[in-house]
Amino acid sequence: QVQLKETGPGLVQPTQTLSITCTVSGFSLTSYYMQWVRQTPGKGLEWMGFIRSGGSTEYNSEFKSRLSISRDTSKNQVFLKMNSLKTEDTGVYYCARGVQPDYWGQGVMVTVSS
Amino acid sequence: DVVLTQTPPTLSATIGQSVSISCRSSQSLLHSNGNTYLHWLLQRPGQSPQLLIYLVSRLESGVPNRFSGSGSGTDFTLKISGVEAEDLGVYYCVQGTHAPYTFGAGTKLELK
Repeated sequence: QVQLKETGPGLVQPTQTLSITCTVSGFSLTSYYMQWVRQTPGKGLEWMGFIRSGGSTEYNSEFKSRLSISRDTSKNQVFLKMNSLKTEDTGVYYCARGVQPDYWGQGVMVTVSS
Repeated sequence: DVVLTQTPPTLSATIGQSVSISCRSSQSLLHSNGNTYLHWLLQRPGQSPQLLIYLVSRLESGVPNRFSGSGSGTDFTLKISGVEAEDLGVYYCVQGTHAPYTFGAGTKLELK
């Protein structure tokens, strides 16, 4: 069956880089868009960006040049990297499948604090 | 960016009651390809969001048919015909027509 699971650090220091991996099973990354969405106390649910089935990406300009999304189809993994972290980036980060996100991971809680 | 305004912010209902949630967009969500990328999600306490309705009115597989969606352009509605206890949580509308995709602020459904 379809499964998505995010893994990443629970705590990141301000100005550092966040790296999260979304490992999927039950479908092919070459057949679906994969989105990254976060949920923060300050802004609620925010769309961060996606990687298309063909491998191209699109990002929310809110994150300017801080954000990068990539994938390794051989490992069924999608990656999020965001640098220059701020305390406001504290929240739960989700990967989700598809243009209409039909499957979501459990989310990974990230706290940005020194 | 497209702003999605959900009302009401909180909804109190009894079991079996029918309720509706409104989602109004600051721009038309009709895409040039003819689709309207307006979806509804439910986030139960402590859980990830789950897809209920996609493309305005299409019921996601496995979702009970007491859920229905309607609307066009800028005005959309989610209806629950006979609330059940498992329906409690926060409902979100989300649009995927205009980048960046955006979410409504949510409507919390509580038991009266």
